[in-house]
Amino acid sequence: DTGVSQDPRHKITKRGQNVTFRCDPISEHNRLYWYRQTLGQGPEFLTYFQNEAQLEKSRLLSDRFSAERPKGSFSTLEIQRTEQGDSAMYLCASSLVSGSVDEQFFGPGTRLTVL
Amino acid sequence: GESVGLHLPTLSVQEGDNSIINCAYSNSASDYFIWYKQESGKGPQFIIDIRSNMDKRQGQRVTVLLNKTVKHLSLQIAATQPGDSAVYFCAEIRDNYGQNFVFGPGTRLSVLP
Repeated sequence: DTGVSQDPRHKITKRGQNVTFRCDPISEHNRLYWYRQTLGQGPEFLTYFQNEAQLEKSRLLSDRFSAERPKGSFSTLEIQRTEQGDSAMYLCASSLVSGSVDEQFFGPGTRLTVL
Repeated sequence: GESVGLHLPTLSVQEGDNSIINCAYSNSASDYFIWYKQESGKGPQFIIDIRSNMDKRQGQRVTVLLNKTVKHLSLQIAATQPGDSAVYFCAEIRDNYGQNFVFGPGTRLSVLP
């Protein structure tokens, strides 16, 4: 257990529905990352926050994807109008950037299945 | 485009033998590399890291080697144990900007009894 938690662990939804995932990072960590991971592949970066600020979101897969971190603590990732191609594991990671080191601690992920 | 990749998608080793997992990268500007271990149903777990100004770093039973000339990274696991069975990813980071954190596709390590 890295200290990063994600909820839910599994989500099954029908195509066209909206889903929201939550990530609770390690409490003192200032950076929070979202990744998508498909079977047999490495995690693919989506977006990240430094405190409340979303510093990079151009890698979000489409405008159906959005993320928030309103108080600089937990974060949510929302996918609107889900498609079968959205089925994947969604990973969250947090880090405490200190100098040039950015060791990311990953949560267990939320596995999304779109029927 | 620039990418991180792996030479072998699967690797099977006998328990007690040493394992070597390889990774190629193409971005010469990357200055920080990490090896992660991912067990089934879990998120990636940090194993060891190395900076571009180093060519070798050792941890407990693991060693990472960096060859910047040929843009190659390897992870050596000594006396491989059943608990080492997992998928291993290398990741490269450039400039410590989050969006420049790129993972390779992974190698599955299977430890045979």
